[in-house]
Amino acid sequence: DIVMTQSPLSLPVTPGEPASISCRSSQTLLVAHGYNYLDWYLQKPGQSPQLLIYLGSHRASGVPDRFSGTGSGTDFTLKISRVEAEDVGTYYCMQTKETPFTFGPGTKVDIK
Amino acid sequence: QVQLQESGPGLVKPSETLSLTCTVSGGSINSGRYYWTWVRQSAVKGLEWIGRIYTSGNTNYNPSFKSRVTISIDTSRSQFSLKVTSMTAADTAVYYCARCPAAEVGCDYIDYWGQGTLVTVSS
Repeated sequence: DIVMTQSPLSLPVTPGEPASISCRSSQTLLVAHGYNYLDWYLQKPGQSPQLLIYLGSHRASGVPDRFSGTGSGTDFTLKISRVEAEDVGTYYCMQTKETPFTFGPGTKVDIK
Repeated sequence: QVQLQESGPGLVKPSETLSLTCTVSGGSINSGRYYWTWVRQSAVKGLEWIGRIYTSGNTNYNPSFKSRVTISIDTSRSQFSLKVTSMTAADTAVYYCARCPAAEVGCDYIDYWGQGTLVTVSS
């Protein structure tokens, strides 16, 4: 299975400030046609995960443009340009290059 | 707006079989454009992909479940189901059903999730 790791596991943030989360995979998620099979999800407290970014850098419908995904191969980053209070929760990366799909352990973001 | 709703028992005894159903509304389960998926979340293992089924009935399972898992689909009822045999305390988790849009090969992301249902394994 492809192993996913994230850092940090806990991230206190200040509203209005930027934040970034790193995700690494044990194998490359880049395929021949140039897509990276890496998604980002946010699970707000008491809710199901919701899709933020798919295929490494594509923002899902309705996701604010303060969220962006970068990276390729085995190293990926989710960036929030200016954190808002509603962004608190746990962020997960997930690889969809091969089954079984696997998730990172999550990064818990809360307000300082 | 697509909605997915899990249903099933909240408590299962050790060694018994868990049966969960996901009802899809607001969209066709039979459009041939989606993989219908099960994911679970526990405090110990985090988010864990269980498996998926295509409208054709083609399935993919997580090998870590060692053949304990079966996913089926009933398009006439807009439902798909999960069965897990030989349940143990390690299977205690929130179980989510979800939708994964079909791509050129497989699917690339999960766009809709159910609210999740907590299943506890205890005698």
